[in-house]
Amino acid sequence: QVQLVQSGAEVKKPGSSVKVSCKASGGTFSSYAITWVRQAPGQGPEWMGGIIPIFGTTEYAQKFQGRVIMTADRSTSTVYMQLSSLRYEDTAMYYCARAPHYDILTGYPDWGQGTLVTVSS
Amino acid sequence: DIQMTQSPSSLSASVGDRVTITCRASQSISSHLNWYQQKPGKAPNLLIYAASSLQSGVPSRFSGSGSGSDFTLTISSLQPEDFATYYCQQSYNTPLNFGGGTKVEIK
Repeated sequence: QVQLVQSGAEVKKPGSSVKVSCKASGGTFSSYAITWVRQAPGQGPEWMGGIIPIFGTTEYAQKFQGRVIMTADRSTSTVYMQLSSLRYEDTAMYYCARAPHYDILTGYPDWGQGTLVTVSS
Repeated sequence: DIQMTQSPSSLSASVGDRVTITCRASQSISSHLNWYQQKPGKAPNLLIYAASSLQSGVPSRFSGSGSGSDFTLTISSLQPEDFATYYCQQSYNTPLNFGGGTKVEIK
């Protein structure tokens, strides 16, 4: 049974960057797509993008193009999501989730616990 | 982008009731539709994938149907632990948009 453990909560100033990690344990890492979803307070989930570690390929939602970078470290089974030029409206819970295979276009059965990112001056 | 529209946005039901939630895609997505349950403070939990396949470990009272652009999630007999918010998500192409959610509350 795979477990996804995310890094802890962050408080950031507007204009700065945040880097959230997602470490997988208990299963093969690089052969599965990882996606990032965020959820602002009281809102529904919003898909940000995904990465396939074994190929090193990424796909980002147009909304975040130019501000988000997703990377993977296969040696530590960890995926990272960096979001730059933070705005107040980026305040949200950020989740990573793992697909059951290496295709991003699928449902996601395994989720991290979430990382709260607060943007505040 | 494919837009996902859920209805209703909320509903009140009693334990034992049959509950139906609808999701409509702005274009045909074949059977590339997933359903999630989310409880406060928790990550979404995958219930149904590929429109009608029950995720391992999910109770059989949950079922999904539909194809093309119209989909349904049915809870055959609502249980106390089912009071939550439900989201559909299309996985036909990126961005993997979610519906606006349906909050199931206790009557």
